[in-house]
Amino acid sequence: ELKVEQNPLFLSMQEGKNYTIYCNYSTTSDRLYWYRQDPGKSLESLFVLLSNGAVKQEGRLMASLDTKARLSTLHITAAVHDLSATYFCAVDNYGGSQGNLIFGKGTKLSVKP
Amino acid sequence: GAGVSQSPSNKVTEKGKDVELRCDPISGHTALYWYRQSLGQGLEFLIYFQGNSAPDKSGLPSDRFSAERTGGSVSTLTIQRTQQEDSAVYLCASSQVGTNTEAFFGQGTRLTVV
Repeated sequence: ELKVEQNPLFLSMQEGKNYTIYCNYSTTSDRLYWYRQDPGKSLESLFVLLSNGAVKQEGRLMASLDTKARLSTLHITAAVHDLSATYFCAVDNYGGSQGNLIFGKGTKLSVKP
Repeated sequence: GAGVSQSPSNKVTEKGKDVELRCDPISGHTALYWYRQSLGQGLEFLIYFQGNSAPDKSGLPSDRFSAERTGGSVSTLTIQRTQQEDSAVYLCASSQVGTNTEAFFGQGTRLTVV
């Protein structure tokens, strides 16, 4: 059974600082997705990582995938308040009984001035 | 439509009543998911459809919950004899099957049981 773990679950950062969110998963997969959720809103797709070594960047966020380590990272550079949200990773389960996607519990990021 | 559509967006119901939540996935998406999210919590997986079939219904919290999908498109999640602990946001997502299984989410239905 595929398990997806994110850490930290809560992250309080100061503006301007860098930090990394980690997403570990338990079985082989080479497809991983990152989502953002603002309070009271639905989930918005951020990054699609479809192969080992994939790296995607959008603004102050950069996501990478290491399928051998079963690890994805979401790196935040010079955080700003607008990045405050909950970030979820999801791993492709290749059509397991719970469907293709298994989500982590989310990392709640709070960026303070 | 262009995205996943859920209705109603908000529903307030009295304890003991039945409710039906609807999800219209993106056209052509064969996979459809239902999740529940309580206030400030993560995503609780409920059920997944591939086409009209749900391989595993064990994520449904109790036998008061049921879901169906018809024509490989619209899905309804039905909660019978609602309880206060059913209050949550119910999110639907759909995806293709293939190389990119990125899921797209609807705006959710906020259910309040009073």
